[in-house]
Amino acid sequence: GQQLNQSPQSMFIQEGEDVSMNCTSSSIFNTWLWYKQDPGEGPVLLIALYKAGELTSNGRLTAQFGITRKDSFLNISASIPSDVGIYFCAGVSGAGSYQLTFGKGTKLSVIP
Amino acid sequence: DSGVTQTPKHLITATGQRVTLRCSPRSGDLSVYWYQQSLDQGLQFLIQYYNGEERAKGNILERFSAQQFPDLHSELNLSSLELGDSALYFCASSVDPGGNTEAFFGQGTRLTVV
Repeated sequence: GQQLNQSPQSMFIQEGEDVSMNCTSSSIFNTWLWYKQDPGEGPVLLIALYKAGELTSNGRLTAQFGITRKDSFLNISASIPSDVGIYFCAGVSGAGSYQLTFGKGTKLSVIP
Repeated sequence: DSGVTQTPKHLITATGQRVTLRCSPRSGDLSVYWYQQSLDQGLQFLIQYYNGEERAKGNILERFSAQQFPDLHSELNLSSLELGDSALYFCASSVDPGGNTEAFFGQGTRLTVV
């Protein structure tokens, strides 16, 4: 089946630093989504990407849909303590496939 | 608040038992997805329904089944429960069955099998 490789698995950063994480796949995806999950809560949608090459921002978050349609990255600028959580990428592949496939997540810790 | 409602929030039951998890999608959403998340694991896709019909199936065990009703709410039935079924079960909903739309998640049901 389809798999998304998300990296890094975890990261520890100082408050104020920028963060970058990415997702890659051997398959082409038509949609990339980035979610954040706090402990014991449901994932919350951060950014949705629909076109190859698309660059979208949501406050301090910026995500890009890779031009090969096989990858995406998420950047967080000037991190703050409330950015702590697990970030998941998810992708939807081509026509006929309705499955939303998730990466294994990047666990972010921010040191004040 | 995502608009997706899951009940119950917590459930503790014994091995061998059967439970039903319920999900009400966001108003206007026709598609419902179910995911399982075990401790420190990613989200495993179980099954998806669109407007009452099954649209996609993931790694769902034969002991598990789901349905979507005419009012669009969905239920996930888990039977002959085993200790390994303990997990967070999430429901998500979206407007259409896939492709160019976002899926919004509920708060989840934490199932503990003892």
